[in-house]
Amino acid sequence: GIQVEQSPPDLILQEGANSTLRCNFSDSVNNLQWFHQNPWGQLINLFYIPSGTKQNGRLSATTVATERYSLLYISSSQTTDSGVYFCAVEDKAAGNKLTFGGGTRVLVKP
Amino acid sequence: EAQVTQNPRYLITVTGKKLTVTCSQNMNHEYMSWYRQDPGLGLRQIYYSMNVEVTDKGDVPEGYKVSRKEKRNFPLILESPSPNQTSLYFCASWNRWGQPQHFGDGTRLSIL
Repeated sequence: GIQVEQSPPDLILQEGANSTLRCNFSDSVNNLQWFHQNPWGQLINLFYIPSGTKQNGRLSATTVATERYSLLYISSSQTTDSGVYFCAVEDKAAGNKLTFGGGTRVLVKP
Repeated sequence: EAQVTQNPRYLITVTGKKLTVTCSQNMNHEYMSWYRQDPGLGLRQIYYSMNVEVTDKGDVPEGYKVSRKEKRNFPLILESPSPNQTSLYFCASWNRWGQPQHFGDGTRLSIL
């Protein structure tokens, strides 16, 4: 099956700082999503981005499908950005399940 | 509002007492799936469904049952819950391959 690796595993930021999270995957994909899991456990869908670049407020994401990676950018970070960020890719050969990376745990300090 | 609704959100129960976690979506999606999330193991698929009356096992189906009698509903059934099924459960739905999957808010189950 598809392997998904995220880096770094942990990130501590000062409020206002910028950061880049990376997601590498082992095979071509037609679905890549970024999620934010908040302290209450909810998975918030940030981006559906199998290729290209998208922006949503202070967050943006870029997927380079031919090179099998995706980047999530957080600009001017806020304490509410704390939580775990997951990327997930769809494995068509395995019932269309999403295979999740291990996540990047982000802590934004005031 | 497009959403996936899970109930209950939290449940503490005892070993062996049958329980059902409901999942309902209002987007007319064909595909639905259940995942469980455990520390150190990430999110793993339990069962999925491609349409009404069509279901298949995911990575960790043991101890679970599902049914898909209506397009909008995909309940997860634990016939005889055990402590190793204590976990955070998510239901998801999507329209077809290559479309974003929408997740419910999660159900935190504790089996004592």
